[in-house]
Amino acid sequence: GAVVSQHPSWVICKSGTSVKIECRSLDFQATTMFWYRQFPKQSLMLMATSNEGSKATYEQGVEKDKFLINHASLTLSTLTVTSAHPEDSSFYICSARQGAAHEQYFGPGTRLTVT
Amino acid sequence: EDKVVQSPLSLVVHEGDTVTLNCSYEVTNFRSLLWYKQEKKAPTFLFMLTSSGIEKKSGRLSSILDKKELFSILNITATQTGDSAIYLCAPSNLRGGSNYKLTFGKGTLLTVNP
Repeated sequence: GAVVSQHPSWVICKSGTSVKIECRSLDFQATTMFWYRQFPKQSLMLMATSNEGSKATYEQGVEKDKFLINHASLTLSTLTVTSAHPEDSSFYICSARQGAAHEQYFGPGTRLTVT
Repeated sequence: EDKVVQSPLSLVVHEGDTVTLNCSYEVTNFRSLLWYKQEKKAPTFLFMLTSSGIEKKSGRLSSILDKKELFSILNITATQTGDSAIYLCAPSNLRGGSNYKLTFGKGTLLTVNP
């Protein structure tokens, strides 16, 4: 149980384009989903928290107009990186939790490379 | 500002050795502490600790939390090459309502050589 999938697993895009990453909880309903970014040899940095049906809460320093998050259903959240720049190249990981549980279950991550 | 410090940052051992990984933390509204194992991709959940002094065990892995001294340790006995990974510790704190946040440490890179 507690399986989270992400799609795509890797993507290369050109500067100025937008990229959408999907995060799905496959066998449970995720009331809350989280989006993290991880740079090489660094730890996971929380970008935003999204609750189903409401606006995402962004961490300090994360531009909400650049990283659009939609949590339209209890099993799907999407992150859209708009007007991507090479410095947005990173490993993006989503996680999901069920109800009030503390544990978060992570997706396999998406490697984004912006050229 | 919430802080998590893991030590050592990296560790190289031989198969069969026992290792102890450390995690100290300072977070407001602490609720629990989670350990994850990260291999090539995303972290996989190992333990969640909420009470001091109660050891959680899963096979060769065990962990304990000290809420007074604000630290946790993760022990791995009889290490195997498959234990090679980055081990992440993440205290969970409450940020209003039922909103919990995990703050991750930089991790301990464990390498187990045959």
